[in-house]
Amino acid sequence: NAGVTQTPKFQVLKTGQSMTLQCAQDMNHEYMSWYRQDPGMGLRLIHYSVGAGITDQGEVPNGYNVSRSTTEDFPLRLLSAAPSQTSVYFCASSYIDRGIGTQYFGPGTRLLVL
Amino acid sequence: EDQVTQSPEALRLQEGESSSLNCSYTVSGLRGLFWYRQDPGKGPEFLFTLYSAGEEKEKERLKATLTKKESFLHITAPKPEDSATYLCAVLANTGGFKTIFGAGTRLFVKA
Repeated sequence: NAGVTQTPKFQVLKTGQSMTLQCAQDMNHEYMSWYRQDPGMGLRLIHYSVGAGITDQGEVPNGYNVSRSTTEDFPLRLLSAAPSQTSVYFCASSYIDRGIGTQYFGPGTRLLVL
Repeated sequence: EDQVTQSPEALRLQEGESSSLNCSYTVSGLRGLFWYRQDPGKGPEFLFTLYSAGEEKEKERLKATLTKKESFLHITAPKPEDSATYLCAVLANTGGFKTIFGAGTRLFVKA
């Protein structure tokens, strides 16, 4: 059981470039989410999904796209990277149990936008 | 607006010196409150879920409690390996599936 995996671990982009952060889970969780973590600000929800084909916006969705074609995968796309998107990105998954129950987090992707 | 505030921002303890971390919240109906531990360079790791005022959960040296306005994470006789950032998060009745996190408390335990 690998849990939640994220790739890449670290990425450097130039302003205007696009990229996809990958996230996969092998626990058959319905709920998956993407957060960004910036110093002193805690985790902020970007997008989430409650099942294949169903996604919704979180607190800070601008500049990011998501899709969920399978239960296992939930990629996050940066369409045109900006320096303000420099952050650490975490993917998480959970059963939908009395809300979303316990969230299991991946190890994170560190993104630097120059 | 739903809000979560954690205090203190940082806490330095001697090994064996018990203390508490605070998480105060303002939400329109609490569906659940969560505590996570985060080590440097890693993703958060789940510790506890609390659903209603008066509820308590324990795990080793940690005990989480919940009132209608705040939650405490009590650390009894901490060890250096308890050093980490502790995150509090809430899920509100009106929040759909959106969890709101506090900024965290960085705990340092010195031997």
